[in-house]
Amino acid sequence: NAGVTQTPKFQVLKTGQSMTLQCAQDMNHEYMSWYRQDPGMGLRLIHYSVGAGITDQGEVPNGYNVSRSTTEDFPLRLLSAAPSQTSVYFCASSYSLAGATPTAGEQFFGPGTRLTVL
Amino acid sequence: SQELEQSPQSLIVQEGKNLTINCTSSKTLYGLYWYKQKYGEGLIFLMMLQKGGEEKSHEKITAKLDEKKQQSSLHITASQPSHAGIYLCGADGTSGTYKYIFGTGTRLKVLA
Repeated sequence: NAGVTQTPKFQVLKTGQSMTLQCAQDMNHEYMSWYRQDPGMGLRLIHYSVGAGITDQGEVPNGYNVSRSTTEDFPLRLLSAAPSQTSVYFCASSYSLAGATPTAGEQFFGPGTRLTVL
Repeated sequence: SQELEQSPQSLIVQEGKNLTINCTSSKTLYGLYWYKQKYGEGLIFLMMLQKGGEEKSHEKITAKLDEKKQQSSLHITASQPSHAGIYLCGADGTSGTYKYIFGTGTRLKVLA
């Protein structure tokens, strides 16, 4: 059971380049999410998904795209990298709990991708 | 929009000392989570609190959620160097859209 895996671990891009950060989980979790972590700002939600074919925007979605074609994979695409996207990116997954007040529940995090945009 | 404020931002304690980290929400919390992050690594789940007045403990760490469900505290008893890291509180968004939010974190250093 590998949990949540992310690739690559490190990446350097030039302004304007595009790339995809990969995230996969083998726990059959419905909920998957992407965060960026910047100094002094905690983690901010970029995009999330509550199941295959369903995605939604988080707090800071601009400049990023996601898709969820399978339960296991949730890639994050940077369309045209900018220096402001230099950050550490974390992918997470959980069993989402539907109900009167939906909750993402306990999340399992990947090890992160350190991205530098020059 | 809902915000989570953590205090203190950083903490340095001598091994064996007790400490408390606070997390305050601008709105009623429907689910409050505590995570620990070792430097340069991903987050590890510690505890989840959902009911007003709820208290949970794991080893030397105790988390509480107040009756009004707007403030939580994380208390570490007899701290050890292994407790060092960044502690973050997280919460479900109140809009019911699964939008998780996090506090800015508390950096803890424990001196041996």
